[in-house]
Amino acid sequence: GNSVTQMEGPVTLSEEAFLTINCTYTATGYPSLFWYVQYPGEGLQLLLKATKADDKGSNKGFEATYRKETTSFHLEKGSVQVSDSAVYFCALSETGGGADGLTFGKGTHLIIQP
Amino acid sequence: EAQVTQNPRYLITVTGKKLTVTCSQNMNHEYMSWYRQDPGLGLRQIYYSMNVEVTDKGDVPEGYKVSRKEKRNFPLILESPSPNQTSLYFCASSLPRDRGYNSPLHFGNGTRLTVT
Repeated sequence: GNSVTQMEGPVTLSEEAFLTINCTYTATGYPSLFWYVQYPGEGLQLLLKATKADDKGSNKGFEATYRKETTSFHLEKGSVQVSDSAVYFCALSETGGGADGLTFGKGTHLIIQP
Repeated sequence: EAQVTQNPRYLITVTGKKLTVTCSQNMNHEYMSWYRQDPGLGLRQIYYSMNVEVTDKGDVPEGYKVSRKEKRNFPLILESPSPNQTSLYFCASSLPRDRGYNSPLHFGNGTRLTVT
């Protein structure tokens, strides 16, 4: 079956540091890949996505590149802010990107210190 | 404003006392789903619905019921809650795959349930 593996948290960084959150996946087909973010006290919201190999998703300074050869979709940001503190979920979908087929990773808690 | 609304936000109850968590969306989405979020386990899908009167089990359906009588509402029912159902619950909605390719899930703000 499908699965998504993320680095365990919490990840603690200082403001303006470079961020990488690793995500690898296992899928039988050619999935679409997503990063969702959950701010404290809120539900998840879509951060970025990529639908095919070598696509790069980007939003709010975050980027992730769909790497089929390494089955990875690592999340990066060049300079994090305190407001980026949240839980980040990597997810995949094999059902044409439909929400009904989403498989989530366990989430990575990111803490940014001033 | 497009949103998914869950109620209540917090609920403390006792073992065996039936409860319902409501979920409503105003985006005319066909697809709706319930998840529970637990430390170290991430998000796990409980039930989902592709449209009115169509519901299916997710990964962890035991102890839960749902209904989809109207498009906008998708309540989660715990007939006889137990302490292992203490969790953070999220409702979500989306367009169906055939009309919303890569359509994102829209989540509610969650319901924190404690069963003693």
